[in-house]
Amino acid sequence: GDSVTQMEGPVTLSEEAFLTINCTYTATGYPSLFWYVQYPGEGLQLLLKATKADDKGSNKGFEATYRKETTSFHLEKGSVQVSDSAVYFCALSGSNYQLIWGAGTKLIIKP
Amino acid sequence: SAVISQKPSRDICQRGTSLTIQCQVDSQVTMMFWYRQQPGQSLTLIATANQGSEATYESGFVIDKFPISRPNLTFSTLTVSNMSPEDSSIYLCSVNRDTTDTQYFGPGTRLTVL
Repeated sequence: GDSVTQMEGPVTLSEEAFLTINCTYTATGYPSLFWYVQYPGEGLQLLLKATKADDKGSNKGFEATYRKETTSFHLEKGSVQVSDSAVYFCALSGSNYQLIWGAGTKLIIKP
Repeated sequence: SAVISQKPSRDICQRGTSLTIQCQVDSQVTMMFWYRQQPGQSLTLIATANQGSEATYESGFVIDKFPISRPNLTFSTLTVSNMSPEDSSIYLCSVNRDTTDTQYFGPGTRLTVL
């Protein structure tokens, strides 16, 4: 069945460092791909999405490109801030409008 | 997007009791979902709340334990029945609109069962 694999956390970086959080997927068909972010004590927020191969989603300085050839959707940011500390979830669209979720990656940014 | 509210935001309950969580959306939506997020874990879908009919439950979740209502296109409730400490989790509702596959989430209900 469809699945999403994320790099294990926590990922700890210093402020202004470059961020990559890896996400790979297994799916039949051509799903949409998502990154959601969960700040401490809050619900999930949609960070960005891509609906077809080679699409790039972007928001708040974060980017991810839908790579069909490598079945990947890695999240990147050029310069992270302390306020980016959160848990990041990669997901893909499954059947019946459901989402298939990765395990989540906790990001810790130190000043 | 959609503005989604949940009540209560958190609660501490005794084992054996039940808690009903409300999810209110600011406009009509096609589909509503209920998730459980256990501490430090990812999201697990409990059920899809269908307007005017019974909810569709995922494997491992049953109606007797998690009864769901959806009386209209903007509101749903999830009840956690006969609670045990293992039910301590964050419960989240989400919606999508116009049959797109993007889901928008409420702020969650943080439940602790003693």
